[in-house]
Amino acid sequence: AQRVTQPEKLLSVFKGAPVELKCNYSYSGSPELFWYVQYSRQRLQLLLRHISRESIKGFTADLNKGETSFHLKKPFAQEEDSAMYYCALGGSSNTGKLIFGQGTTLQVKP
Amino acid sequence: DGGITQSPKYLFRKEGQNVTLSCEQNLNHDAMYWYRQDPGQGLRLIYYSQIVNDFQKGDIADGYSVSREKKESFPLTVTSAQKNPTAFYLCASSIPWNLGSNQPQHFGDGTRLSIL
Repeated sequence: AQRVTQPEKLLSVFKGAPVELKCNYSYSGSPELFWYVQYSRQRLQLLLRHISRESIKGFTADLNKGETSFHLKKPFAQEEDSAMYYCALGGSSNTGKLIFGQGTTLQVKP
Repeated sequence: DGGITQSPKYLFRKEGQNVTLSCEQNLNHDAMYWYRQDPGQGLRLIYYSQIVNDFQKGDIADGYSVSREKKESFPLTVTSAQKNPTAFYLCASSIPWNLGSNQPQHFGDGTRLSIL
């Protein structure tokens, strides 16, 4: 069965500290992974997707098929990074459906 | 201003009453989705539609119904059969699954439904 697990409900760090939001997935086929972000009073929006292999707002994420993980990382957190982050899995079922994790709230303290 | 519009922002329902949540998009997307967002549970898929006049049940479709008569509209009805309807509802759209790739979904601002 397809499943996405984000083990941390809340991650609190100080400004300038490194950040790693964990995401593990379960899927037997070829996965496509996404990170979505929801800032306060804003709509949920795409942050990055693994096939793009790009860095957005200083965040990167590498798909590790051996560990079935897609952790989101940023070397130096900023206060404006405070938000809810969702990891999502898309499979090859030809439906476009995404399976979302439970979400992690990132709190960056000054 | 392109995007997805959900209305109303807040909705109150009495016991035994059906209510309909509106979702309109002007992105010319074929695929549309309805999610329910509860604290600590992330987003759960209620229904999705890949094309006009076609839709499929998601993971938690019981107590909900949808229609897709127009490309730009995908209304969700929360029926009286839904025992725990209080939640935040999100609508999304995307271009179709294409060439072996899942496409990013674009989200609306959501509707918060509460039971009186």
